[in-house]
Amino acid sequence: QKEVEQNSGPLSVPEGAIASLNCTYSDRGSQSFFWYRQYSGKSPELIMSIYSNGDKEDGRFTAQLNKASQYVSLLIRDSQPSDSATYLCAGSGSWGKLQFGAGTQVVVTP
Amino acid sequence: GAVVSQHPSWVICKSGTSVKIECRSLDFQATTMFWYRQFPKQSLMLMATSNEGSKATYEQGVEKDKFLINHASLTLSTLTVTSAHPEDSSFYICSARDRRLGAFFGQGTRLTVV
Repeated sequence: QKEVEQNSGPLSVPEGAIASLNCTYSDRGSQSFFWYRQYSGKSPELIMSIYSNGDKEDGRFTAQLNKASQYVSLLIRDSQPSDSATYLCAGSGSWGKLQFGAGTQVVVTP
Repeated sequence: GAVVSQHPSWVICKSGTSVKIECRSLDFQATTMFWYRQFPKQSLMLMATSNEGSKATYEQGVEKDKFLINHASLTLSTLTVTSAHPEDSSFYICSARDRRLGAFFGQGTRLTVV
């Protein structure tokens, strides 16, 4: 079992709709979680970090963390074609390492 | 967010030669940096953890003599791919972690060995 699991997609979302991405993790010791966006051929870009249970909002993005269920999610409101990318979920591990999921590909259709 | 600069962004080299990739944290000090490799349509694969002033820690299956890592200062880590072969062609990405803000990635280096 991978330490961080994500649905690979692709997740097709109409423009203007909400994209919902899910991530589960197995390491109960993980304290910090991150969402990265990666465009094809580019390196990942940090878009959200979350450390406490509950919701965290930043612009059109909302991250949700439930440590009891070992579940992290990302909502993208008012999806735009420029949001089409692969979204990587990551949890903190030992020695500062991040454990990455395989990524979910999001395709926003006009 | 914090800025991590990686150079070069792409390189083409002949089989058997060595290539050095630099990774710098521009506005914060990073005692630890990470080197990843990513093949097309696959996720990031951690190769090694670079520790300032000490030896790097390599992940299982990564040849330490082939992928030389030097972390000479709190803002610079280098990865040297020695005796490169076509199968080493990949996208190499470094990352430095700011304890408060999270991990930030360099722009990546696309290595093509011909």
